Amino acid sequence: NAGVMQNPRHLVRRRGQEARLRCSPMKGHSHVYWYRQLPEEGLKFMVYLQKENIIDESGMPKERFSAEFPKEGPSILRIQQVVRGDSAAYFCASSPRRAQGYTFGSGTRLTVV
Amino acid sequence: ELKVEQNPLFLSMQEGKNYTIYCNYSTTSDRLYWYRQDPGKSLESLFVLLSNGAVKQEGRLMASLDTKARLSTLHITAAVHDLSATYFCAVDIKKGGSEKLVFGKGTKLTVNP
Repeated sequence: NAGVMQNPRHLVRRRGQEARLRCSPMKGHSHVYWYRQLPEEGLKFMVYLQKENIIDESGMPKERFSAEFPKEGPSILRIQQVVRGDSAAYFCASSPRRAQGYTFGSGTRLTVV
Repeated sequence: ELKVEQNPLFLSMQEGKNYTIYCNYSTTSDRLYWYRQDPGKSLESLFVLLSNGAVKQEGRLMASLDTKARLSTLHITAAVHDLSATYFCAVDIKKGGSEKLVFGKGTKLTVNP
């Protein structure tokens, strides 16, 4: 059981480029959550997805950010036209169902230059 | 809006000493988590506290939960250098069909020889 897999581990993008972050949940987990951690801060909720559905995107910025969790393949967090303020660690967590605890991935550290 | 407040945010202690980290939260929840994060790493789950009066211990760490006071504590006994890390508490919030964690800002613990 490989756990929650995130890739890439590190991503460098120039301002204005697109960033795609991938998250493969643990086997048997159909709930995926994305969190963002700014330097020296706690994690902030962004979005909660189940297969093919966005359940709660109340933490997502209204522009430039989108997330999906298709029927096949990993969940994708997409950031268009990145700006320096997007530089952060992005963590994905998965759970088998609601109220069953969370397993976190190793995170993707995005640097915008 | 739910607030989760940890204190202290920074803690420097000598090996062998005891100390307590506090986590206050502003709304009802039936689940509270403690995580450890080493620099540049992901979150390691330490404890899940599910009910009022719950107490869990693992090695030199002990966590407790008082749901009436909306307070959790993480007590460190006879600290050792290996415990140096950032510790987060996180409150599980269920609203409508959603569920998410709200994190405190973290307590950066440094244990000095």
